[in-house]
Formats: sequence, structure tokens, C-alpha cells
Amino acid sequence: AQSVTQLDSHVSVSEGTPVLLRCNYSSSYSPSLFWYVQHPNKGLQLLLKYTSAATLVKGINGFEAEFKKSETSFHLTKPSAHMSDAAEYFCVVSGYSSASKIIFGSGTRLSIRP
Amino acid sequence: EAGVVQSPRYKIIEKKQPVAFWCNPISGHNTLYWYRQNLGQGPELLIRYENEEAVDDSQLPKDRFSAERLKGVDSTLKIQPAELGDSAVYLCASSQGATSGANVLTFGAGSRLTVL
Repeated sequence: AQSVTQLDSHVSVSEGTPVLLRCNYSSSYSPSLFWYVQHPNKGLQLLLKYTSAATLVKGINGFEAEFKKSETSFHLTKPSAHMSDAAEYFCVVSGYSSASKIIFGSGTRLSIRP
Repeated sequence: EAGVVQSPRYKIIEKKQPVAFWCNPISGHNTLYWYRQNLGQGPELLIRYENEEAVDDSQLPKDRFSAERLKGVDSTLKIQPAELGDSAVYLCASSQGATSGANVLTFGAGSRLTVL
């Protein structure tokens, strides 16, 4: 069975400061992990994905995430927040096979203060 | 290239009325998903299709929900009769052939349903 927990429902940072959105997962097998972003009234968009290659994954818009098996974590970071980063972010876990369920976390709303 | 197209974007109905949502996936994407997203929550899978076959409908409330994907391209999700608790955003997504769990989903903008 797989599950994913996003530890913060809301994160607020000042523009230009670092962003950290936390995600822990549970999986019986080697997981595939994703971060998606959802801007208001828009569809979900892939930020980045981990599929057992490099543990540090770089995505779009300056975001990156690090897979830490020992901590079962896949936290999303960005060195410097921009106003356009304000959105809802979802951590997603899937298994290694095509039959694996794709499980979404409950989301973290990121607010950026001017 | 057009993305995943959903219609209608918004629908307001009274309880016990029927409603239908339509989705046209990205051309060539064999896998199609319907998700439901309640306010403040992450999307939850309702049904997944591989071509025209529903391979995972374990979360679909079959007493009132139905879905079809004739010819393995576009898909329709129906609710009959709608209940107050069905108010949500219904998301359609598609991906290329199911080769692994690492498939990237491309989402449509969603259909927001309000049941009064």
C-alpha cells in the first residue's frame, strides 16, 4: 500500500526567501514521486518527478526536490520565492508498475508576501 | 498541440438532477483518468481507462456514477442523480501508454460542479 503526507497545509514566505514544502511517503516498493502545482482556476501541472535515478531532481521554475529513502521524504525547495509561485502544491506517489495507484497528498497552499 | 479539454467548466444543478462531464485527452494518450477534487483536498481517483477498458473503477460510486470511453478516445462521466456531496471539481487527465508507475499525467482545467 502507498500513502503520502504533506506536513503543512499552508506555507507563507516573503518574496526572495527560500521555500520548503514537506512531503513524506509510504510505499512497499521503490516509489515514483512527483510534485504537481495548481494555480487558481488552472489545471495541475507537473513540476518534477523522481523515478529511481538521481536523488536530487530539478524541475521547472527553479524548483527541486530530494529523495531521501532513509527519511521517506521528498521535500520540495526553491532558493528564492517569486510572487508567481503562489499556488497549491501536491506531492504524489506511485509504484513501479503501470498498475500502481497514483496517490495525491492533500496539498500545501503556498503564499508569497511582498 | 491542444491539451486535455474538459467541458463544461462550470455547472450548477439542483440535487437529484443528472449531470455529465466530457473529456478529450491529448491525442495518442491511451490512458485516461477521472479524478474528483473536493475543496481543500487532493484529487482522488474515480476511474482509470486503458484505451476503452476501465482498469480501475474501485473508487467509483457505481450506484450513481457512470463513465464511458467509447472508441478509446474521449470520455464522459455522468452522475445521476446528483447529491449535495457531489459538489467538487472533476478533473480529467491523460498519459501515454501505461508502461510504468512513472507516467506523467496531463490534466485538464477541470469541471466545477455545484449541487444546490
